[in-house]
Amino acid sequence: EAQVTQNPRYLITVTGKKLTVTCSQNMNHEYMSWYRQDPGLGLRQIYYSMNVEVTDKGDVPEGYKVSRKEKRNFPLILESPSPNQTSLYFCASSLAPGGVTQETQYFGPGTRLLVL
Amino acid sequence: AQKVTQAQTEISVVEKEDVTLDCVYETRDTTYYLFWYKQPPSGELVFLIRRNSFDEQNEISGRYSWNFQKSTSSFNFTITASQVVDSAVYFCALSEARTGANNLFFGTGTRLTVIP
Repeated sequence: EAQVTQNPRYLITVTGKKLTVTCSQNMNHEYMSWYRQDPGLGLRQIYYSMNVEVTDKGDVPEGYKVSRKEKRNFPLILESPSPNQTSLYFCASSLAPGGVTQETQYFGPGTRLLVL
Repeated sequence: AQKVTQAQTEISVVEKEDVTLDCVYETRDTTYYLFWYKQPPSGELVFLIRRNSFDEQNEISGRYSWNFQKSTSSFNFTITASQVVDSAVYFCALSEARTGANNLFFGTGTRLTVIP
C-alpha cells in the first residue's frame, strides 16, 4: 500500500531533550516536506527536500534540522525542543520536486508533540 | 507574495443542506496550482482536488464541486446534500511553479460541522 508513515504518532517530552520524528514513504517520491499545524495558523512548512542530499528551509525552520540520506526517509530533528514547538507535525511527499508541474503532496498521519 | 485566505473559520449546517467553503488566493505567478484537503476528526490530511491555473473548468465529484474563477482569485468548494461524515476541517492550499519547488501554502482552514 502506497503511504507515508511517521513515528512516533504521539510524543510527550521535556524542554531540551533531543528528539527525532521519522518519516518514510514507499512511493519512490523525490520531494518530501515537513509542516507544523497550529490552531488559527493552518499548516506552515518547516523544511523540504527536492531529492537525496538536497534540503532547504521553509517558512518556519528555526529550532529544527532535517536530513535526506536516502530517498525514502526524511527525519525531523529537534535538537533542543522548547514548549513553543508543541504542535501537530505532518510529513508529506510528492512524485516530482516541483517546477512547472506541481505534483500532489500526500501526507502522513501526523505526529502530535507536547514539549513540557 | 503568495497568500491563501479562508475567511470562514467555522460553519455549521444541518444535514442535507448545501454548503460552500470559500478560498481566495494571491500570487504573482502565472502558473500555479490550487488544492483542497480534508482533515477529519481523526487528524489525517486527505487530498481532495488539484487544479492548475490554466484550467478554469469547474469540477464535480459526487456531492463535491469546485468553482475556480481566476477573475476573482477564488477556488470555492461546495458540498451538496451535506452528511455528518463531511464534518471536518477543510484546507485550501496554493503552490507556485516559479519557486521551482513543490511547496504548499495553506489557508487557516474552515471547520465544518454537519448537524444530524
